[in-house]
Amino acid sequence: DTAVSQTPKYLVTQMGNDKSIKCEQNLGHDTMYWYKQDSKKFLKIMFSYNNKELIINETVPNRFSPKSPDKAHLNLHINSLELGDSAVYFCASSHGPGQGVVGYTFGSGTRLTVV
Amino acid sequence: QQPVQSPQAVILREGEDAVINCSSSKALYSVHWYRQKHGEAPIFLMILLKGGEQKGHDKISASFNEKKQQSSLYLTASQLSYSGTYFCGTEIYRGGKLIFGQGTELSVKP
Repeated sequence: DTAVSQTPKYLVTQMGNDKSIKCEQNLGHDTMYWYKQDSKKFLKIMFSYNNKELIINETVPNRFSPKSPDKAHLNLHINSLELGDSAVYFCASSHGPGQGVVGYTFGSGTRLTVV
Repeated sequence: QQPVQSPQAVILREGEDAVINCSSSKALYSVHWYRQKHGEAPIFLMILLKGGEQKGHDKISASFNEKKQQSSLYLTASQLSYSGTYFCGTEIYRGGKLIFGQGTELSVKP
């Protein structure tokens, strides 16, 4: 049973296109995250949702829009893709502040290549 | 503010020990440790909360010095499977942003 699943695993698209990445977790966690990992392996947080509510919104271009329809799902939509958006995007989940302390469980990642 | 890891890279022979350090300029609530193999997701190893407790996970353990805001990851009798990039992540309060260090690349050779 996959704990945090992301789709698609690979995404190759042209500049200017709009694309979405989907994430689902079956761990019963109430907090989900999007991280971006660049070519130098730096993992940078983008967004965090707790029970469908946005709680962390880093300095990310507003072309990136997350959406959480329920606490088990967190999607990421990217408009007008640019070359610099090429990276691996990881979804993760964990317990929020009101629950026990656990580490993050990451999805397998989506490798986005903008050409 | 991003925590700083050292060393940036380390090469070991099987059976050797290694220590990876993580330092923060801010007072921390927690320190996480993860290992990421090439092309895979980061995998959670352990979490340390303020209080200076040490944790263990088979032959991998970690400590957290709250006074110095430093954590160290200890890998003893390394195995080939330990190879990968190790990341520390720090939170300054419960439920805050988990900010990762730049990573330490560990290679274990036969």
